[in-house]
Amino acid sequence: DGGITQSPKYLFRKEGQNVTLSCEQNLNHDAMYWYRQDPGQGLRLIYYSQIVNDFQKGDIAEGYSVSREKKESFPLTVTSAQKNPTAFYLCASSWDNPPYEQYFGPGTRLTVT
Amino acid sequence: AQSVSQHNHHVILSEAASLELGCNYSYGGTVNLFWYVQYPGQHLQLLLKYFSGDPLVKGIKGFEAEFIKSKFSFNLRKPSVQWSDTAEYFCAVNGDNAGNMLTFGGGTRLMVKP
Repeated sequence: DGGITQSPKYLFRKEGQNVTLSCEQNLNHDAMYWYRQDPGQGLRLIYYSQIVNDFQKGDIAEGYSVSREKKESFPLTVTSAQKNPTAFYLCASSWDNPPYEQYFGPGTRLTVT
Repeated sequence: AQSVSQHNHHVILSEAASLELGCNYSYGGTVNLFWYVQYPGQHLQLLLKYFSGDPLVKGIKGFEAEFIKSKFSFNLRKPSVQWSDTAEYFCAVNGDNAGNMLTFGGGTRLMVKP
C-alpha cells in the first residue's frame, strides 16, 4: 500500500527543546517537501529536496533543519530557534516531472508550551 | 514570485446548493493548476488538476474547475453540494519558472448544512 507516513500524529514539547518529525514515502518519488499549515494562511513551504543529499530552503526555513540521507526519508527538525513552532506540519512528495502533483502525508500536530 | 488568492475564506451552504470557490493566481507564464481538499481529520488529497488541453477539468466527487487564462483564474464548482463536502479546499499553482514547486492559496473552509 503506497503512500506517505508521518509520525507521530500529535507531539508535545517544552519550549527550548528540539524535536524531529518523521516523514517516509514508498512511492519512489524523487522530490519531498515540508509545509507548515496555519489557519487562514494555507500551506507555507519550509524545505524541499529534489534528490538525496540535497535540499533547499523554502519560504519559512528559519528555525528548521532537514536531512535527506535516503530517498524514502525526509525528517524535519524544529529547533529551539523557531519562534512560533506550534503548528500542523505536512510532508509531501512528487515526481520530478510535470505536472508536479504532490502527494501528502497525514500530518503531525506539534504543540510547544 | 507566484501568489495565489482564494477570496472566500469561509463559505456556508445548505445541501443541494451550488458551489463556486474562487482562485486567482499572479503568474503570466505557463501554469499547472490544482485543487486539493482536506476533509476533517484526513490528509490533503487531490481533487483535480489542469496540465494542458481542455480548460474545463473534471475531478472526483462531481467537482470541476475552469481555467480562464485571461482572468488568471481556476475556480472550483459543484452543481449540488452534500454534507460530506464539508472540508477545507486549497488552490495551488505551479508556474513554468518554479521547477516542481507549488504555491498554495490560503484555503477556503466550506461548511455544508444538512
